[in-house]
Amino acid sequence: QVTLRESGPALVKPTQTLTLTCTFSGFSLTTKRMCVSWIRQPPGKALEWLARIDWDDDRYYSTSLKTRLTISKDTSKNQVVLTMTNMGPEDTATYYCARTQPHTSGGYYSFYLDFWGQGTPVTVSS
Amino acid sequence: DIQMTQSPSSLSASVGERVTLTCRTSQTIPRYLNWYQQKPGEAPKLLVYLASNLHYGVPSRFSGGGSGTDFTLTISSLQPEDFATYYCQQTYSTPWTFGQGTKVEI
Repeated sequence: QVTLRESGPALVKPTQTLTLTCTFSGFSLTTKRMCVSWIRQPPGKALEWLARIDWDDDRYYSTSLKTRLTISKDTSKNQVVLTMTNMGPEDTATYYCARTQPHTSGGYYSFYLDFWGQGTPVTVSS
Repeated sequence: DIQMTQSPSSLSASVGERVTLTCRTSQTIPRYLNWYQQKPGEAPKLLVYLASNLHYGVPSRFSGGGSGTDFTLTISSLQPEDFATYYCQQTYSTPWTFGQGTKVEI
């Protein structure tokens, strides 16, 4: 059974650094081609993909946020950590982590986000 | 970055109706398009991957189509549990991007 759970502070002050942890079970990031992504959703707005880390430690980031984001993994603990620096009110959102599963079909090699955590709300306010 | 445009942004429909949601991308992405359903207060759920492949357990009234830059998600007979917001996502190139969503309301 695959599960993911996000944890971190519910409230951060402007300019602070946010650290979120995704703790998962039912799969391993040592499995070839397995990945984990982070996604956020401001209140009443759309989903925004933030970052992805792969089994081989390759990392990918949102263009607009890449200078502020760092994603890392601890395979011994089955955790993925996302840090975001210089937080502002516009970063208020629910943050999700999701298992990112590779898939090959009909000559296509792709990914999909098949299991998601419940999300953790983060408010940025002084 | 690849831009995603979903239309309409919202629609009103009745139980039993057939509805089609559209997702257009700013550049061709062959078939690297996923669809997700999100209900209020819940995490998104994967419905369709690679444009037309139904994820495990997704009812057959859902179907995905399209390729290149134009994609559709069709619900053949809307059920009460289908009232939700639907997002498309491209995984052709990083950074991956989502559409702004289509809200399906009664």
